[in-house]
Amino acid sequence: ETGVTQSPTHLIKTRGQQVTLRCSSQSGHNTVSWYQQALGQGPQFIFQYYREEENGRGNFPPRFSGLQFPNYSSELNVNALELDDSALYLCASSLVGGTYGYTFGSGTRLTVV
Amino acid sequence: SQQGEEDPQALSIQEGENATMNCSYKTSINNLQWYRQNSGRGLVHLILIRSNEREKHSGRLRVTLDTSKKSSSLLITASRAADTASYFCATDPQGGSEKLVFGKGTKLTVNP
Repeated sequence: ETGVTQSPTHLIKTRGQQVTLRCSSQSGHNTVSWYQQALGQGPQFIFQYYREEENGRGNFPPRFSGLQFPNYSSELNVNALELDDSALYLCASSLVGGTYGYTFGSGTRLTVV
Repeated sequence: SQQGEEDPQALSIQEGENATMNCSYKTSINNLQWYRQNSGRGLVHLILIRSNEREKHSGRLRVTLDTSKKSSSLLITASRAADTASYFCATDPQGGSEKLVFGKGTKLTVNP
C-alpha cells in the first residue's frame, strides 16, 4: 500500500510567477485535499476534490486552483505568486467524507522571493 | 480560519513522564482528530474520535472528547524522546465547506 506522494519537495519561485504542485493519493482513496501551512501555524484548508470536481473550498482567492485526475491524483496551481504564499503545502487523501481520517504527504516547501 | 486552540503552546517533559495536551474548538463537529508533525514535514494521523464518543485509546495514546465544553485532550503515557514533535487537533465541522480545521498546535519536547 503506497502513501501520499508530493512533488517537488522544495521550490523557489519569484513573485508574480505561477507554480504547479503535484500529489498522488494513497491507494484506495478517492478524495484529495490541499492545505497551506505557514511557519509556526496549523494547516489551513485550501480545497478538496472528489470525482474530479471541487468538493469544498476554504478562504483562499481564485488564483489558487486545482485539478483531480481519473486516477485520483491532483494538482494545485497558484497564479500571480505573492511573498505571503511562501509556506508548506500539504496534500491529504481520504475516502469521501474523511470519516476515517486523512493520510498526508510530506509536503512541498514553496519559497516566493 | 483556525477553529481549534491547543494548550499549552509548548510542553517540555522528561522521558517516562506523561504528556497532556488540550484542544478547544468553536462549532459543532462530526469528529475530532489528532495529528503529529515532525520538524515541519507531513502530518501523521494518530487517532479519530467521533462526536458520540467520549474516550478512545490507541497504544500509549488516550483521547477524550467533551462536546458540551467543546474540548478534547490527548494524553501520551510513558513518553519517549521519539515523541518529540508538534501535535495538532483538527475538527471536522458539521456543515460548512471546510473539511478539516486545525489549531496552531502544541510543540512537545521529551528530554532523554
